[in-house]
Amino acid sequence: QVQLQESGPGLVKPSETLSLTCSVSSASISGYFWSWIRQPAGRGLEWIGRIHNSGNTDYNPSIRSRVTMSIDTSKNQFALKLKSVTAADTAVYFCARGVAAAGSPLDSWGQGTLVIVSS
Amino acid sequence: SYVLTQPPSVSVAPGQSATITCGGNNIGSKSVHWYQQKPGQAPILVVYDDSDRPSGIPERFSGSNSGNTATLTLSRVEAGDEAEYYCQVWDSSNEPYVFGTGTKVTVL
Repeated sequence: QVQLQESGPGLVKPSETLSLTCSVSSASISGYFWSWIRQPAGRGLEWIGRIHNSGNTDYNPSIRSRVTMSIDTSKNQFALKLKSVTAADTAVYFCARGVAAAGSPLDSWGQGTLVIVSS
Repeated sequence: SYVLTQPPSVSVAPGQSATITCGGNNIGSKSVHWYQQKPGQAPILVVYDDSDRPSGIPERFSGSNSGNTATLTLSRVEAGDEAEYYCQVWDSSNEPYVFGTGTKVTVL
């Protein structure tokens, strides 16, 4: 059973860069798409972007200009960087796995980590 | 971008059935997935590809998809089914993962 665990600072100052890492265990990171999704308090899910172990990425157009994702297959980890954050970026951030096939669902999720943007 | 619309809330008595709809333009041509999210927890996949269930998900969870509406049906509802439910599709033209607005299911 694959397990995903998000890690990173829980507090980020406005205008700075949010950095999170997702560690994958009990499964290889190869052959899948790995996504980041966020959820502001009391609101719905917003997909941020995904990365394949090949390094190919897709980002949500609404946030594309501020997002960078990377992957480290040797560590079985992938990462999210979101620059120039504002209070609107305060949310629980989840990482999740998607099968590398068109239309596939997100079949495994991390528990999520709360990131607050505040000075 | 592709929009998925769900009713904000559905209430159901224990033992009865609950139906959650997910509306989208020609959604019947897409594969629809459904997630259950309980407070303070991560979403879990309960139905994928319109009507298939991952291992460990009870048969009480079923799905269908046609025309402009996909549906998740919870049969013989239990107190433990109380949660937020989200539909999701893959939109190849723009944003791969599009989520619905979410439906809170309350068990009376």
